[in-house]
Amino acid sequence: NAGVTQTPKFRVLKTGQSMTLLCAQDMNHEYMYWYRQDPGMGLRLIHYSVGEGTTAKGEVPDGYNVSRLKKQNFLLGLESAAPSQTSVYFCASSYSPARSSYEQYFGPGTRLTVT
Amino acid sequence: EDQVTQSPEALRLQEGESSSLNCSYTVSGLRGLFWYRQDPGKGPEFLFTLYSAGEEKEKERLKATLTKKESFLHITAPKPEDSATYLCAVRNFGNEKLTFGTGTRLTIIP
Repeated sequence: NAGVTQTPKFRVLKTGQSMTLLCAQDMNHEYMYWYRQDPGMGLRLIHYSVGEGTTAKGEVPDGYNVSRLKKQNFLLGLESAAPSQTSVYFCASSYSPARSSYEQYFGPGTRLTVT
Repeated sequence: EDQVTQSPEALRLQEGESSSLNCSYTVSGLRGLFWYRQDPGKGPEFLFTLYSAGEEKEKERLKATLTKKESFLHITAPKPEDSATYLCAVRNFGNEKLTFGTGTRLTIIP
């Protein structure tokens, strides 16, 4: 049981380049999330998904797109990277709030630098 | 808008010196308050969920408590391996997201 895994662990991009971050979970969780963590800002939600084929915007969605084609995978895309997107990105997953416990479990993170 | 404020920002303790971390929150309808531990370079690790005022949960040297306005994470006789950043987050009944505080960086000195 690997939990939540993220690929890659580190990446350096030039301004304007694109990339996709992959998140996978093996806990059969319905919900999946993408956060970014910046010094002094706390974790902020970018996008989330409440089930396969669904996505929704979080509090900082601009410049990012997501897709959830399979229940276990959640992809985060940057179409044209900007230096302001330099951050550590975390994926998380949880059961639906309809269940008795719905805490979020986090992956190890992807450290992205945009130059 | 939901808000979470954690204090202090940083705390240094001697090994064995007990203390508490504070998480003050403002939320229109609390669905749950969550405590996480985060080690440098790693993702947050789930510790506790508290659902209603008066609830308490314990795990080893950690004990989390909840009132209508704040939560405390009490650490008893800490060890150096308890050094980490502790994050608090709240979930609103009308919202799918967690609102996180900026954390308390705890250092336990041997």
